[in-house]
Amino acid sequence: EDQVTQSPEALRLQEGESSSLNCSYTVSGLRGLFWYRQDPGKGPEFLFTLYSAGEEKEKERLKATLTKKESFLHITAPKPEDSATYLCAVQAEGNKLVFGAGTILRVKS
Amino acid sequence: EAQVTQNPRYLITVTGKKLTVTCSQNMNHEYMSWYRQDPGLGLRQIYYSMNVEVTDKGDVPEGYKVSRKEKRNFPLILESPSPNQTSLYFCASSFGRLGSPLHFGNGTRLTVT
Repeated sequence: EDQVTQSPEALRLQEGESSSLNCSYTVSGLRGLFWYRQDPGKGPEFLFTLYSAGEEKEKERLKATLTKKESFLHITAPKPEDSATYLCAVQAEGNKLVFGAGTILRVKS
Repeated sequence: EAQVTQNPRYLITVTGKKLTVTCSQNMNHEYMSWYRQDPGLGLRQIYYSMNVEVTDKGDVPEGYKVSRKEKRNFPLILESPSPNQTSLYFCASSFGRLGSPLHFGNGTRLTVT
């Protein structure tokens, strides 16, 4: 069965305190791994797609990396506006998309 | 502006009273999908559609119906809602190709009493 597990469930950081979120997966035939950001009261917003182990993508203070079993979302020197829930999803064979439960990030100034 | 529009944003209803949540997208996307989001469970797919008149079950289809008569619209129908369908619902669309990101609506919070 395809599974996606995100950790930690919640993370509190001080402004400027860098950290990483983890997404581990077991899926038959990974076709892509997605990261989304979700703000309260809104739908998820696309951040990155990663396709193969070793691939990295960056956007502002966020950097996503991928290995054969997990992905990391690194947040460098976060700001309060980075506070959100971060969702990981994997696209398996047949185009099925499986989401993790998310990591709630709070950045305090 | 490219967007996925869901209506209503909030809905409170009683057990057994049929309801429809509408979803419309203006990006000419082939693929559309419905998800429900529950605490600790993440987003779970209810139904999806690869194109007009083509729909298929996701992981949690019981108690739901969909139709895709036009490319832009993908309504979610609850024929006889029950309290366990209380949830936050999202409609999403994409071009349906490998790696195409989903564009989500802003959600419909449904409460069934």
